[in-house]
Amino acid sequence: DGGITQSPKYLFRKEGQNVTLSCEQNLNHDAMYWYRQDPGQGLRLIYYSQIVNDFQKGDIAEGYSVSREKKESFPLTVTSAQKNPTAFYLCATGGAYGYTFGSGTRLTVV
Amino acid sequence: AQTVTQSQPEMSVQEAETVTLSCTYDTSENNYYLFWYKQPPSRQMILVIRQEAYKQQNATENRFSVNFQKAAKSFSLKISDSQLGDTAMYFCAFMKYPFSGNTPLVFGKGTRLSVIA
Repeated sequence: DGGITQSPKYLFRKEGQNVTLSCEQNLNHDAMYWYRQDPGQGLRLIYYSQIVNDFQKGDIAEGYSVSREKKESFPLTVTSAQKNPTAFYLCATGGAYGYTFGSGTRLTVV
Repeated sequence: AQTVTQSQPEMSVQEAETVTLSCTYDTSENNYYLFWYKQPPSRQMILVIRQEAYKQQNATENRFSVNFQKAAKSFSLKISDSQLGDTAMYFCAFMKYPFSGNTPLVFGKGTRLSVIA
């Protein structure tokens, strides 16, 4: 069954801690994307990757980092430099026919 | 840069009635794609409908249809025979043509639709 999987579903971060959100797809798409969702803000682009070993900053990349070592995987690290990380994070992959989204990770600062 | 505007933060509709959600966008491109996504309380994003700007015919998917007005840069979503399961956030989105990984989807801020029994 082809799809895109995000884990964990819920994540709690302490102040000053880095955390990594996982995103894995088996749809054989080259492009992958990370979006952040806040109430009333819609989906805002954090980072995207067109192909393995290549990625670009989106509109709100500060305090985040990514890697793309495998076609299937595009993990997002939320660093301690991100001052307001509490949000819902969505990973996506796809093309001209639209994106397929993961089920999301809810990150909360404790 | 492209922008997408959804001017109705919240809407409600009676079950079995028809509702229209508005979306406008700003672009200098002549060809592009437009999408409507649905996000129910589960928060899973679901593609509802897709429109190619170079096709004049409005897209339709069962009870969902669009009114695409290219000159006005307007892309509204009509939901007919509304059902309780249509309760969700609805996002309008824009993508440049032709697709490449470097032309990500740009989303509006969403419209929260409540279907009332």
